[in-house]
Amino acid sequence: GENVEQHPSTLSVQEGDSAVIKCTYSDSASNYFPWYKQELGKRPQLIIDIRSNVGEKKDQRIAVTLNKTAKHFSLHITETQPEDSAVYFCAASTPGNTGKLIFGQGTTLQVKP
Amino acid sequence: SAVISQKPSRDICQRGTSLTIQCQVDSQVTMMFWYRQQPGQSLTLIATANQGSEATYESGFVIDKFPISRPNLTFSTLTVSNMSPEDSSIYLCSYTLHGGEGAQYFGPGTRLLVL
Repeated sequence: GENVEQHPSTLSVQEGDSAVIKCTYSDSASNYFPWYKQELGKRPQLIIDIRSNVGEKKDQRIAVTLNKTAKHFSLHITETQPEDSAVYFCAASTPGNTGKLIFGQGTTLQVKP
Repeated sequence: SAVISQKPSRDICQRGTSLTIQCQVDSQVTMMFWYRQQPGQSLTLIATANQGSEATYESGFVIDKFPISRPNLTFSTLTVSNMSPEDSSIYLCSYTLHGGEGAQYFGPGTRLLVL
């Protein structure tokens, strides 16, 4: 079945710097890759997603890139702010109509003022 | 996206007892799921709640321990049965609006502590 590896597990950056989180997946038939942000004590919130027919997607300071050949995708946050501090999870869909997502292990991002 | 709620938001239970968690969405959705998230860990899928039929469980989760109901397209319940301290966790429900491969939206979670 699908397996998703996420790196790094923790990331500390200075405010204003960029942050990059990387994920690899195992099933080449996966077609959908969302990213979630989870603040302490809160639910995971979808922040950006990408489908396999697109190589890059941007939404203000957040972008996601996908390399289907290499089976990896990355989250890029530019001009980081303290409120970006949270745990970020990547996920990959399981092929077919199951609707299931397999999540990475999570990255704790700390943005220092 | 639809509004999704869960109750209770938290509970403290004695070992050997059972707790039923409710998940309500304010509009009809295609699929609903139940996850467990242990402190500091990722999300682990327990099962897919199927409307009008038995849930589909992931490896390591069984119906006797985690019975699930989904009587209609807006509501589901998860029961944690015969609880032990190892069941202490956050339980999250989620939904997708469309079938196939797409976004899931999560409820606020239920924090369970088993003593």
